[in-house]
Amino acid sequence: IAGITQAPTSQILAAGRRMTLRCTQDMRHNAMYWYRQDLGLGLRLIHYSNTAGTTGKGEVPDGYSVSRANTDDFPLTLASAVPSQTSVYFCASSDRSGGGTDTQYFGPGTRLTVL
Amino acid sequence: GQNIDQPTEMTATEGAIVQINCTYQTSGFNGLFWYQQHAGEAPTFLSYNVLDGLEEKGRFSSFLSRSKGYSYLLLKELQMKDSASYLCAVTDSNYQLIWGAGTKLIIKP
Repeated sequence: IAGITQAPTSQILAAGRRMTLRCTQDMRHNAMYWYRQDLGLGLRLIHYSNTAGTTGKGEVPDGYSVSRANTDDFPLTLASAVPSQTSVYFCASSDRSGGGTDTQYFGPGTRLTVL
Repeated sequence: GQNIDQPTEMTATEGAIVQINCTYQTSGFNGLFWYQQHAGEAPTFLSYNVLDGLEEKGRFSSFLSRSKGYSYLLLKELQMKDSASYLCAVTDSNYQLIWGAGTKLIIKP
């Protein structure tokens, strides 16, 4: 089934621990994104990648890192988790090949709690 | 700065019509999206407008006025399953999506 998968679905993490959120898409989209969503706030972009091998910083990149070794995978790493990183994390992808609407399609999300 | 405004919450009755407004101030404009998000789920794409006017898709329609920095999402023949948050997002001059905080729509029988 085509789409985006994320793992884990949810996670409780002790502050200071390292954590990698996984994201895989099978739509062959060139662009991928990581957002966090907090109550009362809009989706905020953490990092993005317009194509495999490149990444860029979004609105709230501090404390997070990403890599894009291939088209399908876009993992997000929290090097040393802090309670303010408690949030729901969504991965998304879009086809930025030009001529289209660049509509973003979202994974099911990861609910992360940092204690 | 860049800003997307939409009401925090709206209530409507099953079978009725509701209009959710969105105003935006962004550096450049390359399209406006509406997404639906049910509680605990991911946002799903509803509509896209890049030219002025109305786009109709079944019970949902979306309108855009670029000169006014304004859009609305119109939902007709409301059903209980339409209870969700509706997110407005604008693509700016750098082709980044700027998101509003969303409008929570409550449908009452």
